[in-house]
Amino acid sequence: ETGVTQTPRHLVMGMTNKKSLKCEQHLGHNAMYWYKQSAKKPLELMFVYNFKEQTENNSVPSRFSPECPNSSHLFLHLHTLQPEDSALYLCASSHRTGNGYTFGSGTRLTVV
Amino acid sequence: ILNVEQSPQSLHVQEGDSTNFTCSFPSSNFYALHWYRWETAKSPEALFVMTLNGDEKKKGRISATLNTKEGYSYLYIKGSQPEDSATYLCASIMEYGNKLVFGAGTILRVKS
Repeated sequence: ETGVTQTPRHLVMGMTNKKSLKCEQHLGHNAMYWYKQSAKKPLELMFVYNFKEQTENNSVPSRFSPECPNSSHLFLHLHTLQPEDSALYLCASSHRTGNGYTFGSGTRLTVV
Repeated sequence: ILNVEQSPQSLHVQEGDSTNFTCSFPSSNFYALHWYRWETAKSPEALFVMTLNGDEKKKGRISATLNTKEGYSYLYIKGSQPEDSATYLCASIMEYGNKLVFGAGTILRVKS
């Protein structure tokens, strides 16, 4: 365990479903991130939160909706996804801007 | 657009060989360069965070150098072991921000 916990580890959902990914850290970090890794592509930044405020949305489609209720928790709400959204979704946190990130183990999402 | 390139894409070496990989990044507005090690089914693990031109960091048999003026970093592994098999990721941050942009990674396989 790295200190960043992601649930669930695996998720299969239909295109009309609504589901949520959860990320939790108790490292005292004040920045949290969602990254997406599609097959054979680099890790792609989706969202950045600093002190619960969203500071970066990397042109992510609105079918992905992040939520950060406090500095320790980050959610990614999913609705009406497409099969091409199937990927590994990684959460990370850092103490402050520019420091090394601590990653979770990821959620492997399959959209059918 | 921040483009981070890594080479080679993959590398197969024998146990005991020393090896190195390259990460190139835009040198303008550079803030920090990160190296991560990512084993299959695990979380990416931070190896180094480097900020100063000419910086050299070491962790056991792994070391890294940084040239911010020409925009490259090298990662060296001395006396590779099978447990070094992983994907090695580099990522760069421009200016004082927390938008960490990753390269595609170098996959290392060490045969015993």
